[in-house]
Amino acid sequence: GDSVTQMEGPVTLSEEAFLTINCTYTATGYPSLFWYVQYPGEGLQLLLKATKADDKGSNKGFEATYRKETTSFHLEKGSVQVSDSAVYFCALRGYSGNTPLVFGKGTRLSVIA
Amino acid sequence: GAGVSQSPSNKVTEKGKDVELRCDPISGHTALYWYRQSLGQGLEFLIYFQGNSAPDKSGLPSDRFSAERTGGSVSTLTIQRTQQEDSAVYLCASSLQGSGSTDTQYFGPGTRLTVL
Repeated sequence: GDSVTQMEGPVTLSEEAFLTINCTYTATGYPSLFWYVQYPGEGLQLLLKATKADDKGSNKGFEATYRKETTSFHLEKGSVQVSDSAVYFCALRGYSGNTPLVFGKGTRLSVIA
Repeated sequence: GAGVSQSPSNKVTEKGKDVELRCDPISGHTALYWYRQSLGQGLEFLIYFQGNSAPDKSGLPSDRFSAERTGGSVSTLTIQRTQQEDSAVYLCASSLQGSGSTDTQYFGPGTRLTVL
């Protein structure tokens, strides 16, 4: 079945550092790919998404590119802030559409001033 | 506009008791999902409703878990004879149409269930 693997955390960075959180997936066909974020004490929020190969999703300075050749959707940000401290989840939704999201286990990011 | 709401936000119960968790989806969204977030297991799919179709129950972990959706809107997740391993955050999500891989799911704040 479909699956998502993302790098284990926790990840601790200094403010203004470069962030990469790796995410790879296994799926048949052409799934849509998502990054969700969960800030402390809050619910899951959609951060960005990409629906086809070579698409780049972006939001709040974060970017991720759908790479079908490497089955990856790595999350990047050029300069992190303390307010980016959260848990980040990579997820996919199968091509058939009527399917739930399949999530990675999440990566906790802590940004220190 | 209003997002997905869930109640209660926290629920503490004793082992063996039944609990009901409620989800109010975004108005007009035809698809509704329940997930469970627990330590060590990450986010797991439980059940999915799409319009008037029979729900996809493939993620329910045991027959103690059931869910219904009345009038195509509000949903209730029921856990009978709760066990300590049921302790988790139960998340509800809704989406506009449920079909098409681009359809975005919007999540509620969750219900934190603690079984003593």
